[in-house]
Amino acid sequence: GGIITQTPKFLIGQEGQKLTLKCQQNFNHDTMYWYRQDSGKGLRLIYYSITENDLQKGDLSEGYDASREKKSSFSLTVTSAQKNEMAVFLCASSIRTGGADTLYFGAGTRLSVL
Amino acid sequence: QQQVRQSPQSLTVWEGETAILNCSYENSAFDYFPWYQQFPGEGPALLIAIRSVSDKKEDGRFTIFFNKREKKLSLHITDSQPGDSATYFCAASPSGGSNYKLTFGKGTLLTVTP
Repeated sequence: GGIITQTPKFLIGQEGQKLTLKCQQNFNHDTMYWYRQDSGKGLRLIYYSITENDLQKGDLSEGYDASREKKSSFSLTVTSAQKNEMAVFLCASSIRTGGADTLYFGAGTRLSVL
Repeated sequence: QQQVRQSPQSLTVWEGETAILNCSYENSAFDYFPWYQQFPGEGPALLIAIRSVSDKKEDGRFTIFFNKREKKLSLHITDSQPGDSATYFCAASPSGGSNYKLTFGKGTLLTVTP
């Protein structure tokens, strides 16, 4: 089996600060994702990457940058943290089996902005 | 526009009862419907999934019932256990099951009381 490791687990930032979240996977999956989870709002796709050095915008990409320099890692940058923002950022990777992709998620980075 | 709706937002059942979680969708192009289970402090994990060519999918105590005409599906958890207490997300994507186009509902928080 494999694992998705997200760092840090908790991130406290200041308004306007640039913040970077990191994700590593050892599944050897090609595709990786960043989702944002807000209380009561489900999961919304921020960025995804089909392969190394590929980046695709999701529905919620404004205010974020992403980087996929290696197959095993995918980082997300909050370009300017918003005051009182609180959310969980989930990284995932996927493999196609039986004609459909299965997502494997990390435990998340919990962001609070003061 | 919310394309995948879940109800209820939260549900409490007694141990041994059947929990019924509902999901509906608007986009007729949706063809693949996975359910993800998320425990507190963890990322979601695939629980069970169904394609629109089927009207039922069973895996142990978990069963999806699917009604294509009404664009509705439900997850039944029989003999509910306290360990089933989690948030359940219904998701949907068009043909091919690509995660790039996976739309999540807002989730149902299930509590199973001993």
